[in-house]
Amino acid sequence: QVQLVQSGAEVKKPGASVKVSCKTSGYTFVDHLIHWVRQAPGQGLEWTGRINPNRGDTRYAQKFQGRVTMTRDTSISTAYMELSGLTSDDTAVYYCVRDPRSSSVWGQGTPVTVSS
Amino acid sequence: DIVMTQSPDSLAVSLGERVTINCKSSQSILYSFNNKNSLAWYQQKPGQPPELLISWASTRESGVPDRFSGSGSGTDFTLSISSLQAEDVGIYYCHQYYDVPHTFGQGTKLEIK
Repeated sequence: QVQLVQSGAEVKKPGASVKVSCKTSGYTFVDHLIHWVRQAPGQGLEWTGRINPNRGDTRYAQKFQGRVTMTRDTSISTAYMELSGLTSDDTAVYYCVRDPRSSSVWGQGTPVTVSS
Repeated sequence: DIVMTQSPDSLAVSLGERVTINCKSSQSILYSFNNKNSLAWYQQKPGQPPELLISWASTRESGVPDRFSGSGSGTDFTLSISSLQAEDVGIYYCHQYYDVPHTFGQGTKLEIK
């Protein structure tokens, strides 16, 4: 079955960067976009961007332009999201999501805590 | 950006009763490629990722109980639960995937009365 398995929880200091991985299985990795969505504690869902695993092209939410980088490694069917210049406002659970046009499947989430 | 507005923000319903949650998009989300509305509904329980219930506004995902249904077109969409069960408690979100940035409704918290 389709699975997206993310890397573990992270604790970072303000100003640092975090890189989250999303290993996929059960389908052809390059055939479906991967999106990244975050959820701050007690808050709703916020789209941060997406990557096309086939070509590697990306689209980012305006709010994260210049701070977010999404990449992929097709040899291991894994997508990555790196966020730099962290502040306490970036404390959230980060999810990778297979494109909803092809029945979205969510990773389990990676909690990222930014604290001095 | 397309704004998604859900109503109500919260509701409490008795077991066995019908539930209706609304979602309005600020513009059309009709995907011309397949003539379907690019709208999904999710259920989220505490500590878990959202679970996809409905895609393309009305297509129920495999394994989702048939008491859940989605409807609507244009800019107005509805998620219905025909007979509320205890396990349906949670927060429900609508999501437009017509255009980037993808956007979500603010969520509707469903409780048992």
